[in-house]
Order: sequence, then structure tokens, then C-alpha cells
Amino acid sequence: GAGVSQSPRYKVAKRGQDVALRCDPISGHVSLFWYQQALGQGPEFLTYFQNEAQLDKSGLPSDRFFAERPEGSVSTLKIQRTQQEDSAVYLCASSLRFSGTTYEQYFGPGTRLTVT
Amino acid sequence: AQSVTQLGSHVSVSEGALVLLRCNYSSSVPPYLFWYVQYPNQGLQLLLKYTSAATLVKGINGFEAEFKKSETSFHLTKPSAHMSDAAEYFCAVSKTNFGNEKLTFGTGTRLTIIP
Repeated sequence: GAGVSQSPRYKVAKRGQDVALRCDPISGHVSLFWYQQALGQGPEFLTYFQNEAQLDKSGLPSDRFFAERPEGSVSTLKIQRTQQEDSAVYLCASSLRFSGTTYEQYFGPGTRLTVT
Repeated sequence: AQSVTQLGSHVSVSEGALVLLRCNYSSSVPPYLFWYVQYPNQGLQLLLKYTSAATLVKGINGFEAEFKKSETSFHLTKPSAHMSDAAEYFCAVSKTNFGNEKLTFGTGTRLTIIP
């Protein structure tokens, strides 16, 4: 079946612009994660959804970052007034959680954001 | 808090030689440990995971890892490197293995295979 897809794959924004990054998880996956991967670093957790509920947003670096998943499937990560330090690859992952069973997180290819 | 440390940001091995990528963890609770591989311009792919069922874990593409609590380590090995193994490898830790808990990643090790 189809994996996790993300769009756009590449985004160039001028400093101060707003951007929206989209994630289409695997159909039926309950859990959805956003991670930020700076150049030469490992991914860092941003936020987590279970269906449409945002259960953890402790990793969002500032109030310029906002994520939503209104219908429990597609998610959008929005960054307002982008700054150069926002340049990174943004990864989305989804998984199917069922109590007592183990499931892995499946990652999308990421959106590479460059802020100039 | 949980964390992982990957020793060696770059590792080079000859084709056919042993691959050893190091990962040490820190966790206040029994950890769940993972190794992911990332090829250029692609997402992360799970190689293997430790879930306390067995200390020696076998994964895809001939990789395996051994959980050593006394050494707080979860090193990744492969007996014979192949050119297709060239990629970035990430060790990660989580509090659970139910897919609903965030992963904390190391900084990664770039593996280069010398022909």
C-alpha cells in the first residue's frame, strides 16, 4: 500500500513568509508525529496527534509553529514568519496504536525547507 | 529524560568487512531501542528494534544489534558490508513500543563503504 507522503518535497521561503507543510499518513493510522531534522543532526520531536487530538506539542520551538489534524487523517504543520533557523527537513511519521500491540512509526520522505 | 549517543559521526569500512556502529543510551525507565536507516532524500526506515523480548535482535538487510544493559549499549553490526549499505544510520530510544510515543534520536552515523 501507499506509504506516508509529504508535500511539497522542497520549499524555499523568504524570511518572514508563512509556510504550510502537508502530511498524508498511511490510511487508518491513528498516531501522527512531526519531527524536525536540522542539517547533520538527528530528527527532533515536534508534536504528536492521536486521531485529531494533539496530545503533545512540547517540541514545538516557538509559538510561530502550529500543527493541526482536523479530521484525524491529513496533518498540516504551519510556520509563521519564518526565520533562517527554521531551515531544516520536516519529517512526518504515522503509526497504528493498539493497546498491548507494538507498531512501528513509518516515516515520509520529508519536506526540505530553506529560508533565505 | 531519555537520550542516545552515537559514537562516530562518520564510519568507513571496506566492502565485505565487519560493520560496527555504536550507540549508548540513557534512560530512567526500561528503554525501547531502535535503529533506523536513511538513504539520501528518503525518509527513515526501521532496521530493527529492541523490545525486551530478546537481547540479540535481528533486523533487515543482515543487520543485528545486541542490547547490553550493563554497558547501556545497543550497537549495530553486520558481518559483511555491501555497497548498498552506504547511508546514514540513527539510533533512537522510546519509553514504549506501541507506536504512540515519541522517538529520541542520536545525531547519526554516516556509513561509507570502500570498494
